Amino acid sequence: QVQLLQSGPEVKKPGSSIKVSCKASGDIFQKNSIAWVRLAPGQRLEWVGGIIPSLDLPNFAQAFQGRVAFSADKSANIAYMELTTLTPDDSAVYYCAKGGSDQSTIDFFDSWGPGTLITVSA
Amino acid sequence: DTVMTQSPDFLAVSLGERATINCKSSQSVFYSSNNKNYLAWYQQKPGQPPKLLISWASTRESGVPDRFSGSGSGTDFTLTISSLQAEDVAVYYCQQYYSTVTFGQGTKVEIK
Repeated sequence: QVQLLQSGPEVKKPGSSIKVSCKASGDIFQKNSIAWVRLAPGQRLEWVGGIIPSLDLPNFAQAFQGRVAFSADKSANIAYMELTTLTPDDSAVYYCAKGGSDQSTIDFFDSWGPGTLITVSA
Repeated sequence: DTVMTQSPDFLAVSLGERATINCKSSQSVFYSSNNKNYLAWYQQKPGQPPKLLISWASTRESGVPDRFSGSGSGTDFTLTISSLQAEDVAVYYCQQYYSTVTFGQGTKVEIK
């Protein structure tokens, strides 16, 4: 069973950036994608985007284009999401999740990290 | 983007009774070349991440009790819990992965 471990909660100022990490147990980076999904209070789950680490191929939800970057350290099995120009609307729990199919960022997600709470407040 | 709409938003069911959640997509998520519907269902309990229950509209994930089943095709889908148990209290989400990734608004299931 794959385990995904995420970095801890953070409080950020509006206009700043955040980088969240997701470390995978097991060598899933060869075949699978890592996605990032957020859940804001009172909102539905929202796909931010993802990356296929073996191809260094990212994919972004249109709402986050230009403001988010995905990367992966394949040697350490760690994926990263960096979100810039934060606003209070970005306050949410951010989950990393493993794609269930091979080599696709547009996918269902069969393993999830515990989530990282990001609070954006002045 | 494909909009996913679930009904109802809230569902109270007696223990042992059937719970039915519907999910409608704004466009078809059926891919005719492989005869698959790109539709998944998740269960999320408070303080936990979502858990995959069903992929490809009707394929139950390993370890998921067989009281959970998925059906439907094209734009209309259903998640059925055949005999509700106390541990099934959660929010349930549908998700399409045919065109980008979008989720339904969630259905909260409680015990009546």
